[in-house]
Order: sequence, then C-alpha cells, then structure tokens
Amino acid sequence: GQNIDQPTEMTATEGAIVQINCTYQTSGFNGLFWYQQHAGEAPTFLSYNVLDGLEEKGRFSSFLSRSKGYSYLLLKELQMKDSASYLCAVSNTNAGKSTFGDGTTLTVKP
Amino acid sequence: NAGVTQTPKFRVLKTGQSMTLLCAQDMNHEYMYWYRQDPGMGLRLIHYSVGEGTTAKGEVPDGYNVSRLKKQNFLLGLESAAPSQTSVYFCASSYREPGLGLVNEQFFGPGTRLTVL
Repeated sequence: GQNIDQPTEMTATEGAIVQINCTYQTSGFNGLFWYQQHAGEAPTFLSYNVLDGLEEKGRFSSFLSRSKGYSYLLLKELQMKDSASYLCAVSNTNAGKSTFGDGTTLTVKP
Repeated sequence: NAGVTQTPKFRVLKTGQSMTLLCAQDMNHEYMYWYRQDPGMGLRLIHYSVGEGTTAKGEVPDGYNVSRLKKQNFLLGLESAAPSQTSVYFCASSYREPGLGLVNEQFFGPGTRLTVL
C-alpha cells in the first residue's frame, strides 16, 4: 500500500516563499507529482520528479529524495492567485496509478 | 482540443436511483481514471482503465461499475445510489511516454457534483 502525508493548511504572505512538504511510503515508485487545485475546480499538473534532486519551473520548484521518501514544493514570489490546495501524488509502477495525499490548503495574505 | 470533458456537471439523486457519468477525452490517451473527492480530502481512485476494453478496481470500487467500450470514453455507473456516494467525481486521463515506460501526468475533467438524498 501507499501512505502520503502533507500538512493540512499553511498561510504565507504575498511576495514571500513557502515550502510544502510531502512524505510518502510506497511499495513501488514511478515518480511523484504535484498538482494545484483551486476551490471548486479540477486539479492541474504542476511538476513531476522521478530522479533525486530539484526541478525548477519558473516560480515553482519541486525536490525529491527517494531514499528518504520525501518531496517538497517550493513556491517563490507568492501571489494571491497561488491560494489553492496543493496535492502530492505518488505513482506506482502499475498502470500509472497515483495515490494522492489529502492536499495542503495554502492561503496567501496581502 | 476539448481535453477531458464530463457530463453531467451536477446531479441530484434519490437513494436507490441509478445513473451513469460520462467521461470523454480527445487526446488519444490509453489510461483513464475515475476518482471521488470528499470535502477536505484528496482524490481516491474508484476504477481505472489501461486501454479500450479493460477496467480494474481502485481503492474504493464498491457500489460503482465502469466500462470502456471506446478508447475515448470511460463510463462510471452507480446502480443503486446511497447518501455515502455524495461527492465530487473527477475523471482523468494519461499516457505512457513512448520508449521510456513512464506514465505521465494526469489531465482532469471539470468534475461532476453528485448529491444523493
């Protein structure tokens, strides 16, 4: 089975940097995804890590350590529109199935 | 490209009624998934399909059935709806990177908000 843990809520200030952590235990590993989900909308893809290290995409970066079962999503220069839920998802080796964490609700304040 | 579409967007059922949710994708993706999302929770996989004519159970399959008669469509059926099935249902699709064996990110439909009274 798979178990994914991430904080339930976080608050940060506009213009600041925030790091959202995700730890996981999995019986198979085919990569880790981060998705963003605004209230009332569908999740949208943010980033993917399959090898250890940092992947950078504009204001968003994601880090993976497979040996530690740990990932984080780093959001820089926060904007009000970044207020959303961020879902960590681990893909196992079977048909690309992903197990999702419960999500971290990020509130960005002025 | 419409991406992933779902119908209907909203539905209210009475306990015991049946219904079918339709998911369609125009990206020629092999993999399709049905999830449910309850308030404050992540996505839980109901059923999935790795190709036309194939389906498999996810982590919460009880009370649901699925069919994938065409590659672009994935149907989710509730034979006898229960209040516990009140949720938001998301369909998603994905594809395998040619030659690499990795399955890429999932593309989600807009969701169906179902209430069972």
